[in-house]
Amino acid sequence: AQSVSQHNHHVILSEAASLELGCNYSYGGTVNLFWYVQYPGQHLQLLLKYFSGDPLVKGIKGFEAEFIKSKFSFNLRKPSVQWSDTAEYFCAVDSNSGYALNFGKGTSLLVTP
Amino acid sequence: NAGVMQNPRHLVRRRGQEARLRCSPMKGHSHVYWYRQLPEEGLKFMVYLQKENIIDESGMPKERFSAEFPKEGPSILRIQQVVRGDSAAYFCASSQNSFLVSFTDTQYFGPGTRLTVL
Repeated sequence: AQSVSQHNHHVILSEAASLELGCNYSYGGTVNLFWYVQYPGQHLQLLLKYFSGDPLVKGIKGFEAEFIKSKFSFNLRKPSVQWSDTAEYFCAVDSNSGYALNFGKGTSLLVTP
Repeated sequence: NAGVMQNPRHLVRRRGQEARLRCSPMKGHSHVYWYRQLPEEGLKFMVYLQKENIIDESGMPKERFSAEFPKEGPSILRIQQVVRGDSAAYFCASSQNSFLVSFTDTQYFGPGTRLTVL
């Protein structure tokens, strides 16, 4: 069955620490990949997306993600987190439909001062 | 610059009642998507609609669930004869262009409606 796995459910980091959130998927064939973020009290917002081309994708607010096809992974990274990055992060995969996103369960990130 | 609006934000129904969830897309958007998030799960695609057309309802349960996006007014997700297993958060998203046409387009999400079935 097609699935999206996010390995860490809860992550706590100090400000300025580096962040890496894991995402693996089990789809065959061509996929489109996304990371969404939900800040407290706000809607889901798109951080970045990968459709084709350079597997290293840069998004908003200093986030980036790397698509490693051989590992079926699309991990999210940020070199130095800020308190304002406290949020829930969701990885999503679309099996080339162009619209039918399938989300992971999310990772809750808490950044402490 | 209003985003995607959903109402109500919270809805409580007793088993057997009907639930109607509304979604107003962003201004200028004519494509609407509904997702469901069951407890302890990620969001799952249910249905994709354009004005007056259902494009893909492959993720929607065959019975009791229906969706529409009329020419005027919001998109409606309707759940008839609700059961406890329908308790979930229902999210709506909209986009300006067809995702199929333009991969540079983005789905913008609403705040969700949390449905509780007693």
